[in-house]
Amino acid sequence: AQSVTQPDIHITVSEGASLELRCNYSYGATPYLFWYVQSPGQGLQLLLKYFSGDTLVQGIKGFEAEFKRSQSSFNLRKPSVHWSDAAEYFCAVGINSGGGADGLTFGKGTHLIIQP
Amino acid sequence: DTGVSQNPRHKITKRGQNVTFRCDPISEHNRLYWYRQTLGQGPEFLTYFQNEAQLEKSRLLSDRFSAERPKGSFSTLEIQRTEQGDSAMYLCASSFLLAGGWSSYNEQFFGPGTRLTVL
Repeated sequence: AQSVTQPDIHITVSEGASLELRCNYSYGATPYLFWYVQSPGQGLQLLLKYFSGDTLVQGIKGFEAEFKRSQSSFNLRKPSVHWSDAAEYFCAVGINSGGGADGLTFGKGTHLIIQP
Repeated sequence: DTGVSQNPRHKITKRGQNVTFRCDPISEHNRLYWYRQTLGQGPEFLTYFQNEAQLEKSRLLSDRFSAERPKGSFSTLEIQRTEQGDSAMYLCASSFLLAGGWSSYNEQFFGPGTRLTVL
């Protein structure tokens, strides 16, 4: 079965500084990878996804992520964070069982705190 | 609003009572998913439907849980004889799946969730 590890429970970053959130997955083949953001009282919002092709993917709100097969990683980055980026970030993996997508497997999340 | 909606947003119940949640997906979406999220954890997959057919159930979905999507549109999740361990946020998501597997149309759109508190 697939699994996702987000090693950092909390990360504090100064506003304007760069950000990298780590995600490692375990799966026998190339998975489909996602980053979601969850703000208090809001639903999960998809930031970006990787299916195939270019290993550097661009998402919304200035985020990007890089798929590294050799490291089984899919780290999320942003060059300059804004106070509005404070939220919970979830990495998720999905598999294609042949009949289409099944449910996603999520990591435990990383809580991002932005210092003024 | 054309997003996924869930009702109620909050539910407080006493242990042993039955509760039912409703999810209305985005109208043209043929797939509907239920997840559970407890405090400090990521969402955990419970079950999903393609149209009205329930295609997969997680082992997390005990016999006390039942989900339906009778007409392939809205879905209900019922928990019978609630326990304190059922306290969680229940999330619904929907997607449109083209025949043949993953596509950019298979993004799962999440609703705001129903927060259940069992006293």
